[in-house]
Amino acid sequence: GQQVMQIPQYQHVQEGEDFTTYCNSSTTLSNIQWYKQRPGGHPVFLIQLVKSGEVKKQKRLTFQFGEAKKNSSLHITATQTTDVGTYFCAGLTGTASKLTFGTGTRLQVTL
Amino acid sequence: GAVVSQHPSRVICKSGTSVKIECRSLDFQATTMFWYRQFPKQSLMLMATSNEGSKATYEQGVEKDKFLINHASLTLSTLTVTSAHPEDSSFYICSARPLAGADTQYFGPGTRLTVL
Repeated sequence: GQQVMQIPQYQHVQEGEDFTTYCNSSTTLSNIQWYKQRPGGHPVFLIQLVKSGEVKKQKRLTFQFGEAKKNSSLHITATQTTDVGTYFCAGLTGTASKLTFGTGTRLQVTL
Repeated sequence: GAVVSQHPSRVICKSGTSVKIECRSLDFQATTMFWYRQFPKQSLMLMATSNEGSKATYEQGVEKDKFLINHASLTLSTLTVTSAHPEDSSFYICSARPLAGADTQYFGPGTRLTVL
């Protein structure tokens, strides 16, 4: 079945440093979504990318969708302690209407 | 808009009992709802897809007789964990999709189930 892997599994940065998580799917995706889950919370939708090569920005967050629509990345510039949480990508395939969540990257930010 | 609620938020039960979890879309109608399970420090795993008025579609490895899903209306789906055991302890999260064919899912706050 479809697999969606993320690296790294965990990253610890100091506040102000940049952070990137990479998402790779075993199959081509029709779109990819990104979610943030705070400790003890539920996933919160961040963004959806649909087009090959698409890049979207939300303040300090930059999201990219690969040309082959099999990978994606999330980059955070100048992290803040409020960025702490686990970031999941989730891929949607054309033949199914269900999301396959990536393995997640847990981000820890310290002062 | 697009708020999804779950009830209860937390439940502790004895082994062998059944637990019902409700998922409601508060301000929209959802033709499709999804049920996920998340173990500590792991990703969300889709358990089943629930379509209003029809039988749920279960993912491979999920026992349909153990995890009963009912989607009786366009705003309510329920998941019943029957004869719960400690290994069923997990975070159960539902999501709702507003329109057929739409890609966006709105997630509920989750239900933390602990089976003693």
